Amino acid sequence: QITLKESGPTLVKPTQTLTLTCTFSGFSLSTSGVGVGWIRQPPGKALEWLALIYWDDDKRYSPSLKSRLTITKDTSKNQVVLTMTNMDPVDTATYYCALKPYSSFDYWGQGTLVTVSS
Amino acid sequence: QSALTQPASVSGSPGQSITISCTGTSSDVGGYNYVSWYQQHPGKAPKLMIYEVSNRPSGVSNRFSGSKSGNTASLTISGLQAEDEADYYCSSYTSSSTLLFGTGTKVTVL
Repeated sequence: QITLKESGPTLVKPTQTLTLTCTFSGFSLSTSGVGVGWIRQPPGKALEWLALIYWDDDKRYSPSLKSRLTITKDTSKNQVVLTMTNMDPVDTATYYCALKPYSSFDYWGQGTLVTVSS
Repeated sequence: QSALTQPASVSGSPGQSITISCTGTSSDVGGYNYVSWYQQHPGKAPKLMIYEVSNRPSGVSNRFSGSKSGNTASLTISGLQAEDEADYYCSSYTSSSTLLFGTGTKVTVL
């Protein structure tokens, strides 16, 4: 059974750095072709893809947020970490991690709501 | 990189068929057969409904079908049911090796 779960702070202050962890089970990020991505959704708005890390450590970022994002993996811990710098209230959103076995996000975490406010 | 364009809302009566469009460019939708569709009910995580333009994952009803013509992909829901009322998002791989989601479509069952 494949599961993913996001964890991290629910509240961050403007200008702070957000660190989110995706802990997963039921698959290995060492398997060829596999990737784990982060997607966010502001309240009442659309999904926005943020970043993706592949089994071979290849990393891809949303061009509009690339300067603020870093994605890493710890295969031994079955975790993927996303950091986003210089948080702003417009970054308030539910953040999801999801498994991309090949061409699509087949499995999603439940999401975690992050609010940016002073 | 702008989001893929979807109609804000589509509605239909039970039993009818509806189609949701997803318009991109030759650098994303039109250039690759890596278009996916996701269903999202309120307060829930998205669920994969269609991958690689027209393929259904195991467990997804065959009332859902996907297609593509040029730079526009489409999701058709036939035999519309109350449980199909949700938000739907398309997604595509891009020439920059990144991903794009659509603007989202709210489906209402009348």
